[in-house]
Amino acid sequence: DQQVKQNSPSLSVQEGRISILNCDYTNSMFDYFLWYKKYPAEGPTFLISISSIKDKNEDGRFTVFLNKSAKHLSLHIVPSQPGDSAVYFCAASGYSTLTFGKGTMLLVSP
Amino acid sequence: EPEVTQTPSHQVTQMGQEVILRCVPISNHLYFYWYRQILGQKVEFLVSFYNNEISEKSEIFDDQFSVERPDGSNFTLKIRSTKLEDSAMYFCASSEAAGYGYTFGSGTRLTVV
Repeated sequence: DQQVKQNSPSLSVQEGRISILNCDYTNSMFDYFLWYKKYPAEGPTFLISISSIKDKNEDGRFTVFLNKSAKHLSLHIVPSQPGDSAVYFCAASGYSTLTFGKGTMLLVSP
Repeated sequence: EPEVTQTPSHQVTQMGQEVILRCVPISNHLYFYWYRQILGQKVEFLVSFYNNEISEKSEIFDDQFSVERPDGSNFTLKIRSTKLEDSAMYFCASSEAAGYGYTFGSGTRLTVV
């Protein structure tokens, strides 16, 4: 059973607009959530995280929202830039392991 | 839902010993990867594997490392002579296509003492 789901394999957005990447999880024991960005042939790079005691965390152009009752989180990028084009992974942490979603490929066009 | 399975979940080995980390990728996936995360640091790419050969590797993946797909199901990472700094969480991943649609395993925590 996939505990962290990113149902959109890809997303295309125009430069300057908002990108919204979504993630759902099933395990209520997860208490810490992270978003990673990944370029080809590189490991995922940490972007932003949120603890389960919060519902929003903001860092510059990136904001993560957590809806615990719906077991849903989302990453908002405003404004989107062409350099944001990458694969974005949602990940969840419960104990010592990190569970990744499959990733969403974001393409930001000029 | 198909999973990527990694074994063991935790391995302790003595410095200088050889270690083999095992992964069973999803059966219809064609691309296989190893990543590692040293405690408190970023997740680092090690190697990608396609069509029975390495397609890309990072600077970390030196002569001490090797990968193999010995049969139709397993994908292994071998570290020939482990060093203390090899202690990390090692993640295996597979994908149907290059570059996206990854499924990660839950990781093997390697501790070199």
